[in-house]
Amino acid sequence: KAGVTQTPRYLIKTRGQQVTLSCSPISGHRSVSWYQQTPGQGLQFLFEYFSETQRNKGNFPGRFSGRQFSNSRSEMNVSTLELGDSALYLCASASRGSEGYTFGSGTRLTVV
Amino acid sequence: AQTVTQSQPEMSVQEAETVTLSCTYDTSENNYYLFWYKQPPSRQMILVIRQEAYKQQNATENRFSVNFQKAAKSFSLKISDSQLGDTAMYFCAFMNTNTGNQFYFGTGTSLTVIP
Repeated sequence: KAGVTQTPRYLIKTRGQQVTLSCSPISGHRSVSWYQQTPGQGLQFLFEYFSETQRNKGNFPGRFSGRQFSNSRSEMNVSTLELGDSALYLCASASRGSEGYTFGSGTRLTVV
Repeated sequence: AQTVTQSQPEMSVQEAETVTLSCTYDTSENNYYLFWYKQPPSRQMILVIRQEAYKQQNATENRFSVNFQKAAKSFSLKISDSQLGDTAMYFCAFMNTNTGNQFYFGTGTSLTVIP
């Protein structure tokens, strides 16, 4: 079956702009989580969605937001981009989180 | 708060040999799950093995096995018969589903398998 698909794979944005990243989970998976990965901070949890509801949110400013659609696809949005937002953004999906999440290949965001 | 510590930033192993990656964690919870994920240069995180804290038996998946010591809060990964394809970053992760499906990741161990 198809894996977790993230688009786009690479993105270059200018400081102050906003960006939307997309994630299509594995069919049947209703839980979708997002993580930010940077060399300095490692892997940090952004948020988790389940059946269109945000169940959990990490310690990120309000510029980071997300949503989940009825087909479980998810988007995350970052407004007023800062240089420090440059990172690999990973999306993951699961039917039951305790069984482990399947990750996508990520979107590499570069803010210049 | 949950914390996960991987004290070995880099390791190397000869092909066909065995290597053990260390992980310790800190939590006040009793029921939780532990995972090892592998991230090759392709960037995709791949689940290697998972352990349920309430199970005493150590998990095994083919060449991969864990040594889970709940009292010591230790969760090491043993890779037997190392292969070149095992070269990757390995992340230890903790999840307590009572507080949401959130992974707490360690800082990772970069493993290189030498031919």
